[in-house]
Amino acid sequence: EAQVTQNPRYLITVTGKKLTVTCSQNMNHEYMSWYRQDPGLGLRQIYYSMNVEVTDKGDVPEGYKVSRKEKRNFPLILESPSPNQTSLYFCASSLGTASLYNSPLHFGNGTRLTVT
Amino acid sequence: KNQVEQSPQSLIILEGKNCTLQCNYTVSPFSNLRWYKQDTGRGPVSLTIMTFSENTKSNGRYTATLDADTKQSSLHITASQLSDSASYICVVSVRGYQKVTFGIGTKLQVIP
Repeated sequence: EAQVTQNPRYLITVTGKKLTVTCSQNMNHEYMSWYRQDPGLGLRQIYYSMNVEVTDKGDVPEGYKVSRKEKRNFPLILESPSPNQTSLYFCASSLGTASLYNSPLHFGNGTRLTVT
Repeated sequence: KNQVEQSPQSLIILEGKNCTLQCNYTVSPFSNLRWYKQDTGRGPVSLTIMTFSENTKSNGRYTATLDADTKQSSLHITASQLSDSASYICVVSVRGYQKVTFGIGTKLQVIP
């Protein structure tokens, strides 16, 4: 089954404790991205990747890191989480870029992160 | 600044009734517009994709329209079902760029 898998689904952590949220897709998609979703703000892009070893900042990249060493994986790293990073996070992938190939984004089921 | 605005913010309708959700955008140059459905606790799922040259696209009981001149889109849901209860998000892409702009969404509740 074609899917984007995020882990964990729920995560509670304390300020400053490094964490990684994993994302994997099995569709051989080139484009992958991370979003956070907050009430009243909608989905905002954190980072995106056009292909292996190619990553770029989205609209809200501060406090986050990503890597794309393999085509299928795109982990999100919070080196020193803070309470304002409490949010619902989504990973997504697409066949090509959202603009060039007109292919939809396939989203994972989200990771709800709480930083205390 | 590229923006996508959706209305209404929330909507309650009776099962079996029709409804229309609106999306206005200021994204330029325009590439395509998509509507996504997001069930509570799940990731968004694509319903329709429309490019500049497409005015209408249907997916079952969902029909999306696009007026590129006025920069408006609508999503019409026919004969609503309880399973249509979800948030509907309008997403617009800028031509030549890798970023997309999301609307905040319309939260639809269908009641028996």
